[in-house]
Amino acid sequence: DSGVTQTPKHLITATGQRVTLRCSPRSGDLSVYWYQQSLDQGLQFLIQYYNGEERAKGNILERFSAQQFPDLHSELNLSSLELGDSALYFCASSVTSASNQPQHFGDGTRLSIL
Amino acid sequence: AQRVTQPEKLLSVFKGAPVELKCNYSYSGSPELFWYVQYSRQRLQLLLRHISRESIKGFTADLNKGETSFHLKKPFAQEEDSAMYYCALSSGSARQLTFGSGTQLTVLP
Repeated sequence: DSGVTQTPKHLITATGQRVTLRCSPRSGDLSVYWYQQSLDQGLQFLIQYYNGEERAKGNILERFSAQQFPDLHSELNLSSLELGDSALYFCASSVTSASNQPQHFGDGTRLSIL
Repeated sequence: AQRVTQPEKLLSVFKGAPVELKCNYSYSGSPELFWYVQYSRQRLQLLLRHISRESIKGFTADLNKGETSFHLKKPFAQEEDSAMYYCALSSGSARQLTFGSGTQLTVLP
């Protein structure tokens, strides 16, 4: 158990819909990262938050957004869903975003778009 | 821009044989490298990081800056080592991870 909790584990929805994925980081971790794992793109960094503030953006679509709340949990919002958004979405946390801090991953949310 | 290359998509070895999973990187700064393992598309688990120079589950990895490599090695493979292995580079102000495409290791009985 990494200590990072993601809900829900599975999500099935239709094109055009909107979903929210939730992540609770390990106790004491201030930094939260979101990654997408798909068969064609592999593992890609989406976005990072540190202590409530957005710090870095990767290959995140404009239809996607995220935030980190005062209690440090984070939510990833995906809207106007397309078939290609079907993927495994991972959240990871680390103590800070300093050098050599390992990221610990949650079990992921498997999103299926029908 | 940073890049991580894992040239082998699939690797099969027999139980007890040595195994080496290759990882090469491209990065202009001082690299921070990690190996993660994923069993059956579940959670990514940290296996090794180059800074700690430790051995986990019999695996070791040495950073070779001259060859820009961080190959993962184990002298005697076990069936339970069968999994997907990802090499990752930490970079940027947020230290986000750039992953290689992964190598699926199968250890045959």
